[in-house]
Amino acid sequence: GEQVEQLPSILRVQEGSSASINCTYENSASNYFPWYKQEPGENPKLIIDIRSNMERKQTQGLIVLLDKKAKRFSLHITDTQPGDSAMYFCAAPPGGNYKPTFGKGTSLVVHP
Amino acid sequence: EAAVTQSPRNKVTVTGGNVTLSCRQTNSHNYMYWYRQDTGHGLRLIHYSYGAGNLQIGDVPDGYKATRTTQEDFFLLLELASPSQTSLYFCASSDAGQNYEQYFGPGTRLTVL
Repeated sequence: GEQVEQLPSILRVQEGSSASINCTYENSASNYFPWYKQEPGENPKLIIDIRSNMERKQTQGLIVLLDKKAKRFSLHITDTQPGDSAMYFCAAPPGGNYKPTFGKGTSLVVHP
Repeated sequence: EAAVTQSPRNKVTVTGGNVTLSCRQTNSHNYMYWYRQDTGHGLRLIHYSYGAGNLQIGDVPDGYKATRTTQEDFFLLLELASPSQTSLYFCASSDAGQNYEQYFGPGTRLTVL
């Protein structure tokens, strides 16, 4: 199936610093790139998304960058807080009749 | 806020047992999905559906059947459960397909002894 590679799998940062997670995808037909956050014991929830007609989107301390040429997109969390500690998943659904595909996730740990 | 519910929330069965996981969404979404989540593997798609009576095969379908009886209800069936199917199962729905936000249910933790 279509692959989405997500790195790193584990990310440890100090409170107040920034954190970056990167994803690459295969299918050039992908045009929607969501990021989900899953807190311990909870379900994944959408936190930010970007469509292929944009290169950058920012909301509430989150920045998403999209490089369609490189088939790469990234999530940047500025001024991390302990509450940002969670699993983060990217996705790059190819659309149409293709199967939706998630990255394997990044465990972010923010140390006080 | 989209609402997706799952039942049961926890289930323990024995090898060879018969299990049905239920999912209901009340947001008139056309698309529904079943995923399993395991450490190191992220979210893996089992089956999905475009609407009542429709079923599409996901990436890890072996050992699972699914049925979409109505627009609201999507069931996952394990007819001969095995320990390898011990996992956390999530159902999700989306409005117009995978190019839109998926809303996840609370999950069902299944243990096969």
